[in-house]
Amino acid sequence: GAVVSQHPSRVICKSGTSVKIECRSLDFQATTMFWYRQFPKKSLMLMATSNEGSKATYEQGVEKDKFLINHASLTLSTLTVTSAHPEDSSFYICSATSGRAGTDTQYFGPGTRLTVL
Amino acid sequence: GEDVEQSLFLSVREGDSSVINCTYTDSSSTYLYWYKQEPGAGLQLLTYIFSNMDMKQDQRLTVLLNKKDKHLSLRIADTQTGDSAIYFCAERSNDYKLSFGAGTTVTVRA
Repeated sequence: GAVVSQHPSRVICKSGTSVKIECRSLDFQATTMFWYRQFPKKSLMLMATSNEGSKATYEQGVEKDKFLINHASLTLSTLTVTSAHPEDSSFYICSATSGRAGTDTQYFGPGTRLTVL
Repeated sequence: GEDVEQSLFLSVREGDSSVINCTYTDSSSTYLYWYKQEPGAGLQLLTYIFSNMDMKQDQRLTVLLNKKDKHLSLRIADTQTGDSAIYFCAERSNDYKLSFGAGTTVTVRA
């Protein structure tokens, strides 16, 4: 149980284009999903928290107009990197919990490697 | 991860025990976690401990928590080559967010 998937696993795009990453909870309803960014050999940095049906809460320093998050259903959250630039290249990981505001254990997706040329 | 610190590297011989240490600063942490990340993959939850516990054992894994010193450790008994990975400790604060350490890269040598 508690399986989280992400799609795509890897994406390469041109600078200036937008990229959408999907995060799905496969066997449970995820009332809360988190989006993280991981730099090479670094820890995970929390970008935003999204609760189903409400607007995402962004961490300080994360541009909400650049990283659009939609949590439209209990099993799907999407992160759209708009007008991507090379500095947005990173490993993006989502996690999901079944509790409101992440009260339960977070289960992580396999990550999406974004490369912006 | 500035509030959670881990040593960056650990090399261990196959069959020996591995001990990964972690310190944290948030005294209001409710849960503490250990995650494993293999190359190019996401994080796999290994185990967690509630903050009012001192120890938790789960097969080859033993978690020790010293709440007074804000010190957490993960012991892996009989370390195998498949245990080579990056191990992250994380604390969950009252706002339910996780703060991660920078990760300890464990290398198992034959």
